[in-house]
Order: sequence, then structure tokens, then C-alpha cells
Amino acid sequence: KQEVTQIPAALSVPEGENLVLNCSFTDSAIYNLQWFRQDPGKGLTSLLLIQSSQREQTSGRLNASLDKSSGRSTLYIAASQPGDSATYLCAVRTDSWGKLQFGAGTQVVVTP
Amino acid sequence: EAGVAQSPRYKIIEKRQSVAFWCNPISGHATLYWYQQILGQGPKLLIQFQNNGVVDDSQLPKDRFSAERLKGVDSTLKIQPAKLEDSAVYLCASSLGSNGGGTEYEQYFGPGTRLTVT
Repeated sequence: KQEVTQIPAALSVPEGENLVLNCSFTDSAIYNLQWFRQDPGKGLTSLLLIQSSQREQTSGRLNASLDKSSGRSTLYIAASQPGDSATYLCAVRTDSWGKLQFGAGTQVVVTP
Repeated sequence: EAGVAQSPRYKIIEKRQSVAFWCNPISGHATLYWYQQILGQGPKLLIQFQNNGVVDDSQLPKDRFSAERLKGVDSTLKIQPAKLEDSAVYLCASSLGSNGGGTEYEQYFGPGTRLTVT
């Protein structure tokens, strides 16, 4: 059974610092991995999707890496801003129909 | 392009009452998902539809939860009777959907319905 873990559960950094968020999964047989952002009281917004054959994906200040063999992904957010404060969730796609298994998320606070 | 729509946004009911949630996916999306997100946890898949057929409902508590997707578009999730532990955010998502390993199954989420059972 696939299990997805995100550590730490919460993180607070001063504005301008780089953020490093970790995600680990137990079964390397995945189709892809997605990083989502969730603001309080809102749904999930997809940030990056990394196919299982890729090593990393970039979008603006965001960079996500994937090491499938070790079951790890890392999301880097450069030069953090207060607007980056949110909960970040990772999810792995586990079957051909698109089923996602989520981690519990990392709650990030960026202080001015 | 309009996103995934859900209603209501908030609902408060007493235990043993019934409640229904509605979801309208992105136009043209064949796959629809219902998730339950309990405070402090990641979303858990309850049921997945491909058009109007069920692909996966292995984690749906079928003694009290039911879902349907008539005509392969809108979907309704019902809880009857509700329990205190059903208090959660219910998220609906949709994807284009096809049997492949690409981005056809990238999911787009609605704003969710926050259910409080007292």
C-alpha cells in the first residue's frame, strides 16, 4: 500500500529565505507526482506535475525534483514572500485511472 | 475556462440528518473525483467516475455515503445519516481522463464544501 509522508508538518521562515519542502513515498511504481498549494478555506491549486520519467520541473520561483528510486521529491521555493504562506501537499498518481495518494501537507508561514 | 463548481460552500447539520453536495466539473472532463479532507490530513479519495461509470469506490463508506453522476456531467454526493466524524471538507475534482500516463489525468479541484456535523 502506497504511503506518502511530508515532513515537517509546519515550517516558518522569514521573507526572502528559500523554502525546502520534502515528500517521501513508499512504492516507487508511480505514474507521476504533483505538488499542490491549499489556502485556508480553499480548494487545491496544482503547482507542478513531474512525470515518473522526469528528474525535475520548474515554474518561476518553484522547482521540484523527483528521485523515484529513493521515493523522494523536494519542492524548492526561491526567495519566499508572505504570499507564499499556505499548506503545500504532494500527491503521487498510483494507477492508470489517475488515482492520487496525498501526503498530509506542510503548513508554511512566511513572516515579513 | 470555468473551473470546477461546488455547492453549497458551507453546511452545518445535526448528527443523523442527511446532506447532499453538488459538483459541476470542467466542461469536457470525463473523470470526476470526490475527496474527503479531515482537518490536518491530506484528501482521501472517496469515489471516482469515468463518464457515468464508477472506477473506484473502495474507500466510500457505502452504508451511509452514496454518489451518482447522471449523464456523465454533474455529480451529487450524499450522506445519510451523518455522523460526527463526517465533519470535513468535501472536495470535487475533474480531469480530461484517458487511459494513459501523461497529463490527461491532471486533476483540477473545486473550492470544496465544509461540512460540520454537531
